[in-house]
Amino acid sequence: DTAVSQTPKYLVTQMGNDKSIKCEQNLGHDTMYWYKQDSKKFLKIMFSYNNKELIINETVPNRFSPKSPDKAHLNLHINSLELGDSAVYFCASSQDVPLLGNEQFFGPGTRLTVL
Amino acid sequence: AQSVTQLGSHVSVSEGALVLLRCNYSSSVPPYLFWYVQYPNQGLQLLLKYTTGATLVKGINGFEAEFKKSETSFHLTKPSAHMSDAAEYFCAVSYPNTGNQFYFGTGTSLTVIP
Repeated sequence: DTAVSQTPKYLVTQMGNDKSIKCEQNLGHDTMYWYKQDSKKFLKIMFSYNNKELIINETVPNRFSPKSPDKAHLNLHINSLELGDSAVYFCASSQDVPLLGNEQFFGPGTRLTVL
Repeated sequence: AQSVTQLGSHVSVSEGALVLLRCNYSSSVPPYLFWYVQYPNQGLQLLLKYTTGATLVKGINGFEAEFKKSETSFHLTKPSAHMSDAAEYFCAVSYPNTGNQFYFGTGTSLTVIP
Protein backbone atom coordinates (compact mmCIF):
# COMPACT_ATOMS: atom_id res chain seq x y z
CA ASP A 1 0.00 0.00 0.00
CA THR A 2 1.43 3.34 -1.04
CA ALA A 3 1.21 5.81 1.84
CA VAL A 4 1.47 9.02 -0.19
CA SER A 5 0.80 8.74 -3.90
CA GLN A 6 1.06 11.28 -6.67
CA THR A 7 -0.12 11.24 -10.24
CA PRO A 8 1.25 11.60 -12.76
CA LYS A 9 4.87 10.62 -12.13
CA TYR A 10 6.04 12.41 -15.25
CA LEU A 11 4.43 15.38 -16.95
CA VAL A 12 5.75 16.92 -20.15
CA THR A 13 3.86 19.89 -21.53
CA GLN A 14 4.14 23.06 -23.57
CA MET A 15 4.50 26.57 -22.23
CA GLY A 16 1.18 28.23 -21.59
CA ASN A 17 -0.72 25.04 -20.85
CA ASP A 18 -2.64 24.34 -17.65
CA LYS A 19 -1.95 21.14 -15.75
CA SER A 20 -2.82 19.44 -12.47
CA ILE A 21 -0.96 17.10 -10.16
CA LYS A 22 -2.93 14.95 -7.76
CA CYS A 23 -1.88 13.75 -4.32
CA GLU A 24 -3.52 11.29 -1.99
CA GLN A 25 -2.46 9.94 1.40
CA ASN A 26 -3.95 6.91 3.11
CA LEU A 27 -2.25 7.48 6.47
CA GLY A 28 -5.10 9.36 8.11
CA HIS A 29 -2.91 12.45 8.46
CA ASP A 30 -4.29 15.91 9.06
CA THR A 31 -1.64 17.99 7.31
CA MET A 32 -0.46 17.91 3.72
CA TYR A 33 2.21 19.86 1.86
CA TRP A 34 3.50 20.67 -1.60
CA TYR A 35 7.21 21.19 -2.21
CA LYS A 36 9.13 22.16 -5.30
CA GLN A 37 12.60 20.65 -5.79
CA ASP A 38 14.80 22.39 -8.32
CA SER A 39 17.65 20.99 -10.37
CA LYS A 40 20.08 21.59 -7.49
CA LYS A 41 17.90 19.47 -5.20
CA PHE A 42 16.84 22.47 -3.12
CA LEU A 43 13.43 21.88 -1.49
CA LYS A 44 11.07 24.81 -1.27
CA ILE A 45 7.78 24.68 0.61
CA MET A 46 4.90 25.96 -1.47
CA PHE A 47 1.71 25.21 0.43
CA SER A 48 0.46 23.41 3.48
CA TYR A 49 -3.06 22.43 4.47
CA ASN A 50 -4.29 21.28 7.87
CA ASN A 51 -7.73 19.68 7.94
CA LYS A 52 -8.46 21.14 4.50
CA GLU A 53 -7.51 24.65 5.57
CA LEU A 54 -4.60 26.54 4.07
CA ILE A 55 -1.93 27.23 6.72
CA ILE A 56 1.15 27.96 4.62
CA ASN A 57 1.11 29.92 1.40
CA GLU A 58 4.67 30.82 0.54
CA THR A 59 5.66 33.33 -2.10
CA VAL A 60 4.46 31.34 -5.05
CA PRO A 61 3.04 32.80 -8.25
CA ASN A 62 -0.74 32.85 -8.16
CA ARG A 63 -0.66 30.62 -11.24
CA PHE A 64 -0.29 27.86 -8.67
CA SER A 65 -3.49 26.97 -6.88
CA PRO A 66 -3.82 24.15 -4.37
CA LYS A 67 -7.11 22.47 -3.69
CA SER A 68 -7.94 20.15 -0.82
CA PRO A 69 -11.31 18.47 -1.35
CA ASP A 70 -10.82 16.43 1.82
CA LYS A 71 -8.10 15.64 4.36
CA ALA A 72 -6.69 12.82 2.26
CA HIS A 73 -6.20 14.80 -0.93
CA LEU A 74 -4.22 17.87 -1.88
CA ASN A 75 -4.09 18.67 -5.57
CA LEU A 76 -1.96 21.28 -7.30
CA HIS A 77 -3.21 23.14 -10.35
CA ILE A 78 -0.82 25.23 -12.42
CA ASN A 79 -2.02 27.75 -14.98
CA SER A 80 -0.07 29.19 -17.88
CA LEU A 81 2.97 27.01 -17.36
CA GLU A 82 6.39 28.64 -17.77
CA LEU A 83 9.83 27.17 -18.45
CA GLY A 84 10.87 27.97 -14.87
CA ASP A 85 8.15 25.73 -13.52
CA SER A 86 10.15 22.70 -14.63
CA ALA A 87 11.06 20.84 -11.46
CA VAL A 88 10.12 17.87 -9.35
CA TYR A 89 7.06 18.48 -7.20
CA PHE A 90 6.66 16.51 -4.00
CA CYS A 91 3.57 16.02 -1.95
CA ALA A 92 3.97 15.15 1.71
CA SER A 93 1.83 14.59 4.77
CA SER A 94 2.25 14.57 8.53
CA GLN A 95 0.06 13.43 11.39
CA ASP A 96 -0.46 16.97 12.63
CA VAL A 97 1.13 20.39 12.39
CA PRO A 98 4.95 20.40 12.72
CA LEU A 99 4.99 21.87 16.22
CA LEU A 100 4.13 18.45 17.59
CA GLY A 101 7.29 16.88 16.21
CA ASN A 102 5.73 14.49 13.74
CA GLU A 103 7.74 13.63 10.66
CA GLN A 104 6.62 14.06 7.09
CA PHE A 105 5.92 11.25 4.67
CA PHE A 106 6.74 12.05 1.06
CA GLY A 107 5.24 10.95 -2.19
CA PRO A 108 7.42 9.71 -5.07
CA GLY A 109 7.38 13.05 -6.83
CA THR A 110 6.10 14.38 -10.14
CA ARG A 111 8.74 15.45 -12.63
CA LEU A 112 7.32 18.36 -14.59
CA THR A 113 9.04 19.40 -17.81
CA VAL A 114 7.83 22.51 -19.59
CA LEU A 115 8.97 22.83 -23.21
CA ALA B 1 15.74 33.74 11.45
CA GLN B 2 15.38 30.03 11.82
CA SER B 3 17.51 28.03 9.43
CA VAL B 4 19.35 24.82 8.83
CA THR B 5 22.86 24.60 7.43
CA GLN B 6 24.39 21.52 5.90
CA LEU B 7 28.11 21.93 5.47
CA GLY B 8 29.37 20.28 2.34
CA SER B 9 27.03 19.92 -0.62
CA HIS B 10 29.05 16.92 -1.79
CA VAL B 11 30.77 14.29 0.34
CA SER B 12 32.73 11.33 -0.99
CA VAL B 13 33.80 8.37 1.11
CA SER B 14 35.31 5.00 0.34
CA GLU B 15 33.25 1.91 0.84
CA GLY B 16 33.71 0.78 4.44
CA ALA B 17 34.77 4.21 5.66
CA LEU B 18 33.01 6.40 8.19
CA VAL B 19 30.21 8.59 6.91
CA LEU B 20 29.82 12.01 8.55
CA LEU B 21 27.25 14.48 7.26
CA ARG B 22 26.97 17.78 9.09
CA CYS B 23 23.89 19.70 10.11
CA ASN B 24 23.63 22.83 12.23
CA TYR B 25 20.57 24.82 13.12
CA SER B 26 20.28 28.43 14.17
CA SER B 27 17.68 29.25 16.77
CA SER B 28 17.56 29.87 20.49
CA VAL B 29 14.84 27.29 20.90
CA PRO B 30 15.92 23.66 20.46
CA PRO B 31 14.05 22.27 17.50
CA TYR B 32 12.80 18.90 16.50
CA LEU B 33 15.44 17.46 14.17
CA PHE B 34 15.15 15.09 11.23
CA TRP B 35 17.35 13.42 8.67
CA TYR B 36 15.86 12.30 5.38
CA VAL B 37 17.44 10.35 2.53
CA GLN B 38 16.51 10.69 -1.13
CA TYR B 39 17.61 7.96 -3.49
CA PRO B 40 17.74 8.82 -7.21
CA ASN B 41 14.34 9.47 -8.73
CA GLN B 42 12.53 8.82 -5.46
CA GLY B 43 10.86 10.78 -2.72
CA LEU B 44 12.36 11.56 0.66
CA GLN B 45 12.42 8.86 3.32
CA LEU B 46 12.88 9.44 7.02
CA LEU B 47 16.18 8.09 8.39
CA LEU B 48 15.78 9.23 11.99
CA LYS B 49 14.46 12.02 14.16
CA TYR B 50 15.03 13.66 17.52
CA THR B 51 12.22 15.21 19.52
CA THR B 52 13.01 14.67 23.21
CA GLY B 53 14.90 12.23 25.42
CA ALA B 54 18.14 10.49 24.55
CA THR B 55 20.28 12.73 22.40
CA LEU B 56 21.84 9.85 20.43
CA VAL B 57 19.28 8.63 17.98
CA LYS B 58 19.54 5.46 15.93
CA GLY B 59 17.85 5.22 12.58
CA ILE B 60 17.44 2.87 9.70
CA ASN B 61 20.24 1.40 7.59
CA GLY B 62 22.80 1.74 10.40
CA PHE B 63 22.69 5.53 10.60
CA GLU B 64 22.67 7.50 13.81
CA ALA B 65 22.79 11.13 14.83
CA GLU B 66 23.52 12.99 18.03
CA PHE B 67 21.79 16.17 19.14
CA LYS B 68 24.32 18.52 20.71
CA LYS B 69 22.57 21.58 22.08
CA SER B 70 25.80 23.37 22.96
CA GLU B 71 26.96 23.07 19.35
CA THR B 72 23.46 23.47 17.80
CA SER B 73 24.30 20.40 15.73
CA PHE B 74 22.71 17.16 14.64
CA HIS B 75 25.37 15.41 12.55
CA LEU B 76 24.58 12.13 10.83
CA THR B 77 27.04 9.25 11.00
CA LYS B 78 27.43 5.68 9.87
CA PRO B 79 30.47 3.62 10.84
CA SER B 80 30.90 1.85 7.51
CA ALA B 81 29.62 3.13 4.18
CA HIS B 82 27.94 0.82 1.69
CA MET B 83 27.56 1.45 -2.00
CA SER B 84 23.80 1.53 -1.44
CA ASP B 85 24.20 4.60 0.81
CA ALA B 86 24.89 6.81 -2.21
CA ALA B 87 22.05 9.32 -2.16
CA GLU B 88 21.05 12.87 -1.26
CA TYR B 89 20.67 13.54 2.46
CA PHE B 90 18.57 16.32 3.93
CA CYS B 91 18.57 17.68 7.45
CA ALA B 92 15.30 19.31 8.54
CA VAL B 93 13.92 21.02 11.62
CA SER B 94 10.58 22.05 12.99
CA TYR B 95 9.90 24.10 16.08
CA PRO B 96 7.58 23.56 19.04
CA ASN B 97 6.71 27.25 19.20
CA THR B 98 6.06 27.94 15.52
CA GLY B 99 4.01 25.09 14.33
CA ASN B 100 3.40 25.37 10.65
CA GLN B 101 6.57 24.59 8.82
CA PHE B 102 9.53 22.32 8.36
CA TYR B 103 12.82 23.93 7.38
CA PHE B 104 15.09 21.89 5.13
CA GLY B 105 18.80 22.19 4.58
CA THR B 106 20.18 22.42 1.08
CA GLY B 107 21.13 18.75 1.03
CA THR B 108 24.37 16.77 0.89
CA SER B 109 25.08 14.41 -1.96
CA LEU B 110 26.93 11.34 -0.72
CA THR B 111 29.11 9.41 -3.14
CA VAL B 112 30.54 6.05 -2.09
CA ILE B 113 33.71 5.01 -3.89
CA PRO B 114 34.28 1.28 -4.33
